[in-house]
Amino acid sequence: NAGVTQTPKFQVLKTGQSMTLQCAQDMNHEYMSWYRQDPGMGLRLIHYSVGAGITDQGEVPNGYNVSRSTTEDFPLRLLSAAPSQTSVYFCASSGAGTSGGHYEQYFGPGTRLTVT
Amino acid sequence: AQTVTQSQPEMSVQEAETVTLSCTYDTSESDYYLFWYKQPPSRQMILVIRQEAYKQQNATENRFSVNFQKAAKSFSLKISDSQLGDAAMYFCAYRSAVQTRDGNKLVFGAGTILRVKS
Repeated sequence: NAGVTQTPKFQVLKTGQSMTLQCAQDMNHEYMSWYRQDPGMGLRLIHYSVGAGITDQGEVPNGYNVSRSTTEDFPLRLLSAAPSQTSVYFCASSGAGTSGGHYEQYFGPGTRLTVT
Repeated sequence: AQTVTQSQPEMSVQEAETVTLSCTYDTSESDYYLFWYKQPPSRQMILVIRQEAYKQQNATENRFSVNFQKAAKSFSLKISDSQLGDAAMYFCAYRSAVQTRDGNKLVFGAGTILRVKS
């Protein structure tokens, strides 16, 4: 199993450009999520999905779009990049959506995005 | 909404010594999970230890143990016999055990940088 994979590892964008951060998992997990990590703020939830076709907003969703057409993939789209979106982005997946219990979250290696 | 606070931005420990990282949280729920994650310079998020709120016994994983004080909403991490490889950013995180659509959401603290001196 590759676990959770993210591409690219690094990206530099100019203000106003759009791009898609890719995330894929091969563990047949129902739950997938995107976090951003900023200094002094820990990780904050952007969007999440409890299954194919279902997405919801997290704590900081503005400026980002997601879709979940398959169980494996959960891409994050930046519609019009802004310097405030300079951050490290993590994708995570786990085995349960709404069924409760504990299922460990597996994190991808992260994408460092710089918007100039 | 739940919040997690790590009041120590940075800590240092001598190799082979013991260090404790602090974490407090705020919640109105009675059933939840608490976690400590380690993030080395590679950026990979590594789960160190987990505590279920309904369990009174403190979790232990080799050199890592927690002091869980539910009434005080405190969840500290103790690292014994510190090693150079323990140097990393450590995050405390909270997860509700309530069965809702966002039940798997993790709420993170700001993190504590741990430096290990040889």
